[in-house]
Amino acid sequence: EPEVTQTPSHQVTQMGQEVILRCVPISNHLYFYWYRQILGQKVEFLVSFYNNEISEKSEIFDDQFSVERPDGSNFTLKIRSTKLEDSAMYFCASSGGSRGTEAFFGQGTRLTVV
Amino acid sequence: QKEVEQNSGPLSVPEGAIASLNCTYSDRGSQSFFWYRQYSGKSPELIMFIYSNGDKEDGRFTAQLNKASQYVSLLIRDSQPSDSATYLCAVNLRQAGTALIFGKGTTLSVSS
Repeated sequence: EPEVTQTPSHQVTQMGQEVILRCVPISNHLYFYWYRQILGQKVEFLVSFYNNEISEKSEIFDDQFSVERPDGSNFTLKIRSTKLEDSAMYFCASSGGSRGTEAFFGQGTRLTVV
Repeated sequence: QKEVEQNSGPLSVPEGAIASLNCTYSDRGSQSFFWYRQYSGKSPELIMFIYSNGDKEDGRFTAQLNKASQYVSLLIRDSQPSDSATYLCAVNLRQAGTALIFGKGTTLSVSS
């Protein structure tokens, strides 16, 4: 069964460093998303991406964050100058065509900023 | 501010019973409604989605939607200990690429 894969599963970084979280969406999906979940809190939307551009972003997704689809399979989230409060699970998700809004999530990357 | 509200629980049911999970949402423009299951430390797993008023059944799961009341529910029949997890309600505008707005989830515990 097709699935969304994310790497790494766990990333520890020092405050102020840059991190790149990687995702391979389901191959025939067109829409890609990043969500985060701080421990004990709800899943929060960060950004959606379609046709090589951002289609929607939340207030959380400020200038510290960027997304990119560097090739035909990978989708990345870059966090510049990480802060302690960026520590969270980051989930990549993808969904299919224009009416297929069901989003399927990867297993997540646990980011710990120390 | 778009909100999705769920009772955090825990909801405790014995094995074989029906578990009923409820969710309300604030944005009347919401068109798509999803139930995800999340085991501790894992990612959300899609179990049901519903777009139209009424009931939708899939195996032991039934989703119910009432747009007039801005209410969506999930029934789990013949609950199993393996159903013990946090159930997340999520909604969006049913436009591709739009954000899913999640509730905080209801923790279900099924005792054997």
